Amino acid sequence: EAGVTQFPSHSVIEKGQTVTLRCDPISGHDNLYWYRRVMGKEIKFLLHFVKESKQDESGMPNNRFLAERTGGTYSTLKVQPAELEDSGVYFCASSQDVGSYEQYFGPGTRLTVT
Amino acid sequence: EDQVTQSPEALRLQEGESSSLNCSYTVSGLRGLFWYRQDPGKGPEFLFTLYSAGEEKEKERLKATLTKKESFLHITAPKPEDSATYLCAVSGYSSASKIIFGSGTRLSIRP
Repeated sequence: EAGVTQFPSHSVIEKGQTVTLRCDPISGHDNLYWYRRVMGKEIKFLLHFVKESKQDESGMPNNRFLAERTGGTYSTLKVQPAELEDSGVYFCASSQDVGSYEQYFGPGTRLTVT
Repeated sequence: EDQVTQSPEALRLQEGESSSLNCSYTVSGLRGLFWYRQDPGKGPEFLFTLYSAGEEKEKERLKATLTKKESFLHITAPKPEDSATYLCAVSGYSSASKIIFGSGTRLSIRP
């Protein structure tokens, strides 16, 4: 069974540009989560989808971040326009159902904003 | 506010030298406490979920235990391949679906 996949693995962009990160969850997992780790800090929650609906987006830092999950399959996280403080590693995770607290993580996308 | 504190930040052991990692947590209504292993350049790899005080789980050389305020990850006779960062995280009823991570313990096992 394929795990959570993320694309790209690395992205380097200039301040003010737009970047879109993609996450493909484990097949059959309705729950999809985005997390972020900035330099020297712990991993922090961004938002949670149940199928195509946003269940909890309390961790989204500001309105420059837009997450979508059309059709309840893969998800995208767009940052527009990117700022220097957006640099970090963005992780995606998925879990099977609402009652399952075991989240399986992807390898992450390392975003560098210069 | 839900919070997780891990100690020590880093731990270096000789192969075969057993030790424990600590995770202290504050959460309003624990739904689950999780341990993950993270290797450099990779995402966290799920190890255990503990749900209530007194619960224990084992996997190979790892054993996780839980009290009302702490969790311990005991490593028995570690091998160099156990070197990684170990992350503790909690999910509380007040924080809904999100899990709160600690900053991790970097474990290094010397052959």
